[in-house]
Amino acid sequence: DSGVTQTPKHLITATGQRVTLRCSPRSGDLSVYWYQQSLDQGLQFLIQYYNGEERAKGNILERFSAQQFPDLHSELNLSSLELGDSALYFCASSVEGPASSYNEQFFGPGTRLTVL
Amino acid sequence: AQSVTQLDSHVSVSEGTPVLLRCNYSSSYSPSLFWYVQHPNKGLQLLLKYTSAATLVKGINGFEAEFKKSETSFHLTKPSAHMSDAAEYFCVVSEYGNKLVFGAGTILRVKS
Repeated sequence: DSGVTQTPKHLITATGQRVTLRCSPRSGDLSVYWYQQSLDQGLQFLIQYYNGEERAKGNILERFSAQQFPDLHSELNLSSLELGDSALYFCASSVEGPASSYNEQFFGPGTRLTVL
Repeated sequence: AQSVTQLDSHVSVSEGTPVLLRCNYSSSYSPSLFWYVQHPNKGLQLLLKYTSAATLVKGINGFEAEFKKSETSFHLTKPSAHMSDAAEYFCVVSEYGNKLVFGAGTILRVKS
């Protein structure tokens, strides 16, 4: 158990709908990352938040947005859903350090989103 | 731009025989490199990491990897495969601190 929790575990919805995925980082971790794992694109970095502020952006669609709250949990909002958004969405957390160093990222179990 | 190429999409070995999962990387700077494992319906677990210290890195469950700058490789090895090693393995590079770039993954099958 990594200490990172994600809810819900599974989500089934229809095209055009909007969903919210939730992530609670490990105790003490200030950074939260979101990743998408799909069959055609593999594992891709979406976005990083550090202590409530957006820190880095990857291949995140404009229909997607995220935020990190004062208690450090994070939410990933996916809107106007398309069939191609079906994927496993992972959250990870780390203790932030200097930009030149690496802090191990601990991954949650993921949320499997199915868009019908 | 940083990238990672995992040379085999599937590897099949017999239990008790050595494992070799190959990974080449591309990076403009001195990278940090990692191997993650994903068991079916589970999250990602860090196996080992290289962050410019020793070039031979030992990880969990008997895995190790060697960073070879001249070959831009970071292959993962294990002397003796166990049935519980069957999973998908990802080679990962990080260049500017925390953004991770994943390879396409290698599915390891272990035959009894």
